[in-house]
Amino acid sequence: SYVLTQPPSVSVAPGQTARITCGGQNIGNKSVHWYQQRPGQAPVLVVYDDKDRPSGIPERFSGSNSGNTATLAISRVEAGDEADYYCQVWDSSSDYVFGAGTKVTVL
Amino acid sequence: QVQLQESGPGLVKPSQTLSLTCTVSGASISSGSHYWSWIRQSAEKGLEWIGRIYKGGRTYYKSSLKSRVIISVDMSKNQFSLKMRSVTAADTAVYYCAGGEPITIFEIWGLGTMVTVSS
Repeated sequence: SYVLTQPPSVSVAPGQTARITCGGQNIGNKSVHWYQQRPGQAPVLVVYDDKDRPSGIPERFSGSNSGNTATLAISRVEAGDEADYYCQVWDSSSDYVFGAGTKVTVL
Repeated sequence: QVQLQESGPGLVKPSQTLSLTCTVSGASISSGSHYWSWIRQSAEKGLEWIGRIYKGGRTYYKSSLKSRVIISVDMSKNQFSLKMRSVTAADTAVYYCAGGEPITIFEIWGLGTMVTVSS
């Protein structure tokens, strides 16, 4: 089955850029989606199809995907961005696959 | 605006059947283009997709859960439901209903409901 690998945690100072990686075999050939989950809340889709944002999601959230790594970047990080972030792909053999999540801490 | 709300017992005994319902507002389960799924989240397994239903009837399940899970729909109430039989402590999790269009994403989530399997 397909596996997505994320770092457990990322720390970033306010105003800086946080980059969260999601590794997978030839992930560049797949569409990657990212979810933000604040404590006690349901996940929220923040980026889909590698780089597109749903309506209402700030432009500070951006995505890229190439080779074996997809990346979610959060620019001008704010305290409210502190959350867990999950990558997800849809694979025809594995169906929906989620990464284990990355906890973003704003210093 | 599409909204989802899970409901059902928060405590289920081992070996019994877990039953949850998701009420959909703002979209039609039977005629819309969304795929409706159940997803659970636990500390041990993280986010785990359980299964989906589409166009009010077509279902598809995670292979490892397929033998224990049924997802069905009540079109008159615009609800879809999850039944998971023979539960164990490993099925303890927060259960979410979610919807997405296209099939690949989950753009709408319910608030989630905690289900504990314990005697």
